[in-house]
Parts: sequence; structure tokens; C-alpha cells
Amino acid sequence: EAGVAQSPRYKIIEKRQSVAFWCNPISGHATLYWYQQILGQGPKLLIQFQNNGVVDDSQLPKDRFSAERLKGVDSTLKIQPAKLEDSAVYLCASSLGLQWGESYEQYFGPGTRLTVT
Amino acid sequence: GESVGLHLPTLSVQEGDNSIINCAYSNSASDYFIWYKQESGKGPQFIIDIRSNMDKRQGQRVTVLLNKTVKHLSLQIAATQPGDSAVYFCAESNPNAGGTSYGKLTFGQGTILTVHP
Repeated sequence: EAGVAQSPRYKIIEKRQSVAFWCNPISGHATLYWYQQILGQGPKLLIQFQNNGVVDDSQLPKDRFSAERLKGVDSTLKIQPAKLEDSAVYLCASSLGLQWGESYEQYFGPGTRLTVT
Repeated sequence: GESVGLHLPTLSVQEGDNSIINCAYSNSASDYFIWYKQESGKGPQFIIDIRSNMDKRQGQRVTVLLNKTVKHLSLQIAATQPGDSAVYFCAESNPNAGGTSYGKLTFGQGTILTVHP
């Protein structure tokens, strides 16, 4: 079974520039998550999709971050404009479950390491 | 979970020893807990989970213990191997919360495990 795919793996940009990350979840997984992982910390949820609808974006800095999941499969996360504090690894994860009792396990991609200079 | 920047707890063990990694969780309403392993340059990888109606669960070489009274979770790794060297995160969730809380994981700080041959 293919895992969660993310691209690019690494990105270096200057502050105030924009950047986009792409995620392809495991086939058939209805739920997709974007996390931000700052060096030395655990991942922090930014946004959660159920199919192509947003379930939770309470921790997404909406003035500069946006995300979409067209057709309920692939997703993109965009930052515009970037700040120095956005330097982090951006992880995408997917899970099968829609209902309690279904598989709840989240599978993570390798992440995109963003450096803002 | 609490974040303390770069100062993650560390645990160094000799190959073949047993390892115990501890985690204090924050939300008494959480009823689902997961341990993840994260190797350098990779996304977190599921190790084992436990629901709040249990206090112990065993997998292959790993055991998770849950003490709800003191909101404490531990991961025991038997016969630790160099390939176990990684950062270990606990995560908590309340799948029954519904709404925007469904599926939402809150990660702890992480512990760096180093296994010496």
C-alpha cells in the first residue's frame, strides 16, 4: 500500500514570499490533516478535512495560511506571505475513519521542511 | 502537551535493555491515546494505541500503560535495539467528542531515545 505522499520535501524562501505544499493521501482515506511541527516540538494540527469539507481549522492562522482539498483527494496548503516563525516541517496525514469504530489510525507523510530567511 | 523548544527529555540505553518512556497528558476527557515514533527526516509512525477503558495493552516488544488517575501514559520497549533510536511522542484524543474535536490529536512534547550498541 502506497503511503502519504508530500512535495516538495524541502523549501527555502524569503520572508514575505509565498509557498505551497502538496499532499496525496492514502487511497480511500476520507480524512486528511495538515500539521505544523516546529523543531523540538510535537506536531500541531492546523486543519482537518473530511472528504472535501473542513472539520477543524481553529489553529490555522487564516490571515496567511489557506488550505483546500478539491474533489476530496489531494490537498494543498499555502502560506502567503511567509514569516520567519513559519519555519517548520509541515506534515500531512490521512486516516480512513469517518465513524467511531472505524480505523482511526493516522498515517503521516515524510513532511516538507520549510525554511524562511 | 507542553512545548519546551529544543530541550526534549532524553533517554539513553544500551542495546538489549528495556526502555520506559513517560508522558503526562493534559485533558481528563481524552479517552484515546497513541504512541508515535519519529525518525530523523520522517513523519511520525504509529506504534501502539490504547483506549481509556484499558490500563495496559501489549504489542510486539512494546507495552503501553495508562493511569487515568494521574493522567500518565508510558511506553515500554523490551530488548531495545539501535533501530529504536528516535523521538517518541504520545498523543491524546477524544473521538467521542464529535464535531470539530473528532479525530483531533494533541501531541505531547516528545522524548529522544538513543540506543547504544
